[in-house]
Amino acid sequence: KNEVEQSPQNLTAQEGEFITINCSYSVGISALHWLQQHPGGGIVSLFMLSSGKKKHGRLIATINIQEKHSSLHITASHPRDSAVYICAVRSGEYGNKLVFGAGTILRVKS
Amino acid sequence: GAGVSQSPSNKVTEKGKDVELRCDPISGHTALYWYRQRLGQGLEFLIYFQGNSAPDKSGLPSDRFSAERTGESVSTLTIQRTQQEDSAVYLCASSQLAGAYNEQFFGPGTRLTVL
Repeated sequence: KNEVEQSPQNLTAQEGEFITINCSYSVGISALHWLQQHPGGGIVSLFMLSSGKKKHGRLIATINIQEKHSSLHITASHPRDSAVYICAVRSGEYGNKLVFGAGTILRVKS
Repeated sequence: GAGVSQSPSNKVTEKGKDVELRCDPISGHTALYWYRQRLGQGLEFLIYFQGNSAPDKSGLPSDRFSAERTGESVSTLTIQRTQQEDSAVYLCASSQLAGAYNEQFFGPGTRLTVL
């Protein structure tokens, strides 16, 4: 079992749809990151959170520490949102490194 | 520069040769991380530096892999006697500090192909 589980693995949406990507983890964490990886490989950090909710433009990230679960939401999705979305956690159990989920491949069709 | 840079962007080498991959972190960032992403797989942690020392090398897959950092700046990841399974994108990231609440900024990666 992976330490960080993401679902779904693949997601195809129509432009304008509301999208949710989920991340579950198995240990107490100090921080959770959502990353975006575009075709061509570049990685951008979207959010870093340890509690509650953060919003940036059409992106919203939430975390429930008790349930060890986080969600990334995209409102009014657009084809340019097509990318791999990666959840990663930092925990004292893993030392000072990020442990990554396998990623969710999102394709938004126009 | 404004971001993390890596060189080369692509490297093709023959099995058994040594390769060096370079990372230039954002100026002033004390923490530097190396990750690997094999084709179709997730990111794997390799090693991180706090300043010039490496408190966590636990992700290095074998003793053929080593890394150093000098001047609290540039880092080099060296792979000796490369094998085909070393083919991957090697990503570097830096953050201002190594703590949990510090955002990591990623470089564009070096795509290594071992023939």
